[in-house]
Amino acid sequence: NAGVTQTPKFRVLKTGQSMTLLCAQDMNHEYMYWYRQDPGMGLRLIHYSVGEGTTAKGEVPDGYNVSRLKKQNFLLGLESAAPSQTSVYFCASSYQSASGGLSSYNEQFFGPGTRLTVL
Amino acid sequence: GQSLEQPSEVTAVEGAIVQINCTYQTSGFYGLSWYQQHDGGAPTFLSYNALDGLEETGRFSSFLSRSDSYGYLLLQELQMKDSASYFCAVRDLGTTDSWGKLQFGAGTQVVVTP
Repeated sequence: NAGVTQTPKFRVLKTGQSMTLLCAQDMNHEYMYWYRQDPGMGLRLIHYSVGEGTTAKGEVPDGYNVSRLKKQNFLLGLESAAPSQTSVYFCASSYQSASGGLSSYNEQFFGPGTRLTVL
Repeated sequence: GQSLEQPSEVTAVEGAIVQINCTYQTSGFYGLSWYQQHDGGAPTFLSYNALDGLEETGRFSSFLSRSDSYGYLLLQELQMKDSASYFCAVRDLGTTDSWGKLQFGAGTQVVVTP
């Protein structure tokens, strides 16, 4: 199993350009997430999905769009890149909790990340 | 909203014990988890505490006090390979759709010296 994979690994964009980051997982996970990581700020949730065809906004959704047309794929789009979107982007996935009870927890599995620079 | 506080950096020698504290303020709380991230790598899951007390996994242990809104990660018998960033994360107590959503702290850089 490959786990969670991300493409591309690195990308340099000019301001105003668009691009799509692809995340794929082969673990049959229901939940998928997109995070950005900036120095000293930890991981911040951009968008997430609880199943095929559904998406929701996270903590920092502005400037990004997502789609989950297939269960195994979660796409993150930047329509008009800005220098403030220079960051490392991580995708993650997890199982859906069967009971959702207090003690149940499903760890998130992360991809290797995409380093994006916007000039 | 939620906020988590953890120290930015801790330095210790090989073989020592390090404790990384995490305090949180949340509108709803379901549990505290810990992730490790090596430089240039992806975060990986270490532990999860939903109930008060200590959870031990090999050299690493994690503790939670719900009444104090406080937890810690204990790294024992430090090895050079433990040099990494460690993040605490709060599991969101929200709607049914939020069972898996996490809010991460800013991370603690652990530096292990010979």
